[in-house]
Amino acid sequence: DGGITQSPKYLFRKEGQNVTLSCEQNLNHDAMYWYRQDPGQGLRLIYYSQIVNDFQKGDIAEGYSVSREKKESFPLTVTSAQKNPTAFYLCASRRQGANYGYTFGSGTRLTVV
Amino acid sequence: GQQVMQIPQYQHVQEGEDFTTYCNSSTTLSNIQWYKQRPGGHPVFLIQLVKSGEVKKQKRLTFQFGEAKKNSSLHITATQTTDVGTYFCAGGWSGNTPLVFGKGTRLSVIA
Repeated sequence: DGGITQSPKYLFRKEGQNVTLSCEQNLNHDAMYWYRQDPGQGLRLIYYSQIVNDFQKGDIAEGYSVSREKKESFPLTVTSAQKNPTAFYLCASRRQGANYGYTFGSGTRLTVV
Repeated sequence: GQQVMQIPQYQHVQEGEDFTTYCNSSTTLSNIQWYKQRPGGHPVFLIQLVKSGEVKKQKRLTFQFGEAKKNSSLHITATQTTDVGTYFCAGGWSGNTPLVFGKGTRLSVIA
């Protein structure tokens, strides 16, 4: 079955460490997105990519970095510069064009200890 | 940047009562989508509305898009415990620009 896979499901990080969250899709979707979800805050866009080797900052990109070397993969690195990284991170993908919904992964819950 | 306002933030209903959540944009939308996130889960796409005044139904769920394409609503008739979760609207403005999500309405259903 086609889908979008995020790993790990839970991640614990010490302050000052960088961590990378994985996102892989086999839906042949062109566009991929990273959202952060905090209680009562909805989904806030971190980065997105509409084509391989190209990506754009979202509303809350500071302290995060991404790469898009392959169509299937869009990893997110949470750097030590991110002041409050504890959150639920959701990766999504969509076929190109405005008439399609997003397919979300099951998310990674990151906790800074 | 663009914003989509969604109310209420929380709604507690008795099983069998109706439920409605509302979304509003200050600017005209190209389309609006609705998603449901079960507790502990991830958002799942429900539907997209594109046309002014559009109304779509999925069983007990009715989705509306305003005439001015600035507001939308989701109405659930006779709620069931399976309806529990957070409902998000997401506005789209043009082309392939990312959707902007509302903050969601968290629905609790008391049996």
